[in-house]
Amino acid sequence: AQKVTQAQTEISVVEKEDVTLDCVYETRDTTYYLFWYKQPPSGELVFLIRRNSFDEQNEISGRYSWNFQKSTSSFNFTITASQVVDSAVYFCALSERNSGNTPLVFGKGTRLSVIA
Amino acid sequence: DAGVTQSPTHLIKTRGQQVTLRCSPKSGHDTVSWYQQALGQGPQFIFQYYEEEERQRGNFPDRFSGHQFPNYSSELNVNALLLGDSALYLCASSSGPRGGYTFGSGTRLTVV
Repeated sequence: AQKVTQAQTEISVVEKEDVTLDCVYETRDTTYYLFWYKQPPSGELVFLIRRNSFDEQNEISGRYSWNFQKSTSSFNFTITASQVVDSAVYFCALSERNSGNTPLVFGKGTRLSVIA
Repeated sequence: DAGVTQSPTHLIKTRGQQVTLRCSPKSGHDTVSWYQQALGQGPQFIFQYYEEEERQRGNFPDRFSGHQFPNYSSELNVNALLLGDSALYLCASSSGPRGGYTFGSGTRLTVV
């Protein structure tokens, strides 16, 4: 069975600090996809990134970067120079295919608070 | 282009009652999935509708049922409400196997 573990329940940082959110996953599939979503107080899940199991290249998008390590089954998310607007709950998720038809398995989320 | 629209945004029901939640998918999307997010937890997959039929189902009892209409909108029905059904219910729409999900802002259901 697929499982996603986000061990950090809550993290609090001061603005401009860097912060890393951890994600560890379990799956028996050889092909799978990993996601990060942001959930602001309004409730909707905002898509941040999708990564397939065959692509272990790290990715950077502005202040966001992701480190995928298949050997340790981890897909960590780093925010550089954090801002108050980054405050939200962040979810890591897993699916067996990058498909709009495949259910996502989510971790429990990490609540990030960025203090000005 | 409107995204996923859910109604109502908030709802309070009494134990034992029945509730219906509604979802209008993003324009161009034909598949609707429902997720339950309990407080402090990640979303859990309830079921998915495509071509007006339930295609996949998560580990939820039969008290949870749904429907999809010809215009692709969907309803989630929960019968015999329990206190534990209190949660944020998220609707996600998608379009075929190549698409990703777009989530709505959810309906917050409180059962008292």
